[in-house]
Amino acid sequence: ELKVEQNPLFLSMQEGKNYTIYCNYSTTSDRLYWYRQDPGKSLESLFVLLSNGAVKQEGRLMASLDTKARLSTLHITAAVHDLSATYFCAVYGGTSYGKLTFGQGTILTVHP
Amino acid sequence: DVKVTQSSRYLVKRTGEKVFLECVQDMDHENMFWYRQDPGLGLRLIYFSYDVKMKEKGDIPEGYSVSREKKERFSLILESASTNQTSMYLCASSLNPNSGHTQYFGPGTRLTVL
Repeated sequence: ELKVEQNPLFLSMQEGKNYTIYCNYSTTSDRLYWYRQDPGKSLESLFVLLSNGAVKQEGRLMASLDTKARLSTLHITAAVHDLSATYFCAVYGGTSYGKLTFGQGTILTVHP
Repeated sequence: DVKVTQSSRYLVKRTGEKVFLECVQDMDHENMFWYRQDPGLGLRLIYFSYDVKMKEKGDIPEGYSVSREKKERFSLILESASTNQTSMYLCASSLNPNSGHTQYFGPGTRLTVL
């Protein structure tokens, strides 16, 4: 059974600082997704990582995938308040029809 | 623009009631999903459908059923609502995952069962 674990689950950052959210998963997969959820809103797709070594960047966020280590990272550079949200990683287990297994989510709060 | 809509944002029901949650997507996606979201547990898959009238159990199907009579519409049914089904319910849709397509989510329905 595929298990996906994120850490930390809660992250309080100061504006301008850097930090990394980790997503570990338990079985082989080469497809990993990152989503963002603002309070009271639904999930919005951030990154789709489709192979070992994949790196995607948008603005202050950069995501990478190491399939050998079964690890993805979401790196935040020079955080700003607008990045405050809950971030989820989700792993495609290779079973049929696009079933994803989600991590618990990381609640990020960026303080002035 | 991609759109997934859900019939209600907030719903309050009584224990034992039959509850219908509806989801509609306008992207001609084959795959549709129902999740529930609870604090600290992430999203857990209840059921999914890969074609009209086709469905598969997810990780937590007990107490739920689904219906997909048309490609664009996927309904979640709570046959006899219980208090432990109080949760946020999210619908999603996607194209073929083997091509790396992401899932698109609806706004969610916050269901309270009293």
